[in-house]
Amino acid sequence: DQQVKQNSPSLSVQEGRISILNCDYTNSMFDYFLWYKKYPAEGPTFLISISSIKDKNEDGRFTVFLNKSAKHLSLHIVPSQPGDSAVYFCAARGTSYDKVIFGPGTSLSVIP
Amino acid sequence: GAGVSQSPSNKVTEKGKDVELRCDPISGHTALYWYRQSLGQGLEFLIYFQGNSAPDKSGLPSDRFSAERTGGSVSTLTIQRTQQEDSAVYLCASSSTRGGDTQYFGPGTRLTVL
Repeated sequence: DQQVKQNSPSLSVQEGRISILNCDYTNSMFDYFLWYKKYPAEGPTFLISISSIKDKNEDGRFTVFLNKSAKHLSLHIVPSQPGDSAVYFCAARGTSYDKVIFGPGTSLSVIP
Repeated sequence: GAGVSQSPSNKVTEKGKDVELRCDPISGHTALYWYRQSLGQGLEFLIYFQGNSAPDKSGLPSDRFSAERTGGSVSTLTIQRTQQEDSAVYLCASSSTRGGDTQYFGPGTRLTVL
């Protein structure tokens, strides 16, 4: 049973527009959420995170929104750039000693 | 370098052979994870170490898979009697002190079983 879901396997966005990547989770005990970005032939790299006590966290062009009641989070990238083209993984964990659960990923293509 | 390193970067083996994959985490990181990513799939959790012990082995797909970590540092993932479905990129990640903190990933080992 997939605890972290990313229902869109791929997304295509024009350069300069907003990219919105969605993630849903089923475990209400999840306490901390992360987004990772992965380029081909490289390991994932940490992008941004959010604690369950917040509903928004912003870092430059990247903003993560958390809706706990809906068990939904989203990553907004604005403006999107061609270099943002990558696979984005949503991840979640419970307590700080729990393992992190990853979603299946969404492949983002930003078209120049 | 200061990052997570993995070796070999690529491994091609014949079905039925054993393989050993190595991960060198960031110095001082106590938590270490192994994942694999099959073609077109997401990150599949395999095993998690906190220090030398493995509190969560739930992701190991079969008893052909085992992992150990000695001295709280280097980890090896061993796959015995490899099968073609074992072909994937095997990723290692480490994080500081507590298991849930930001994970730093290595570049992965691409395993191809012929």
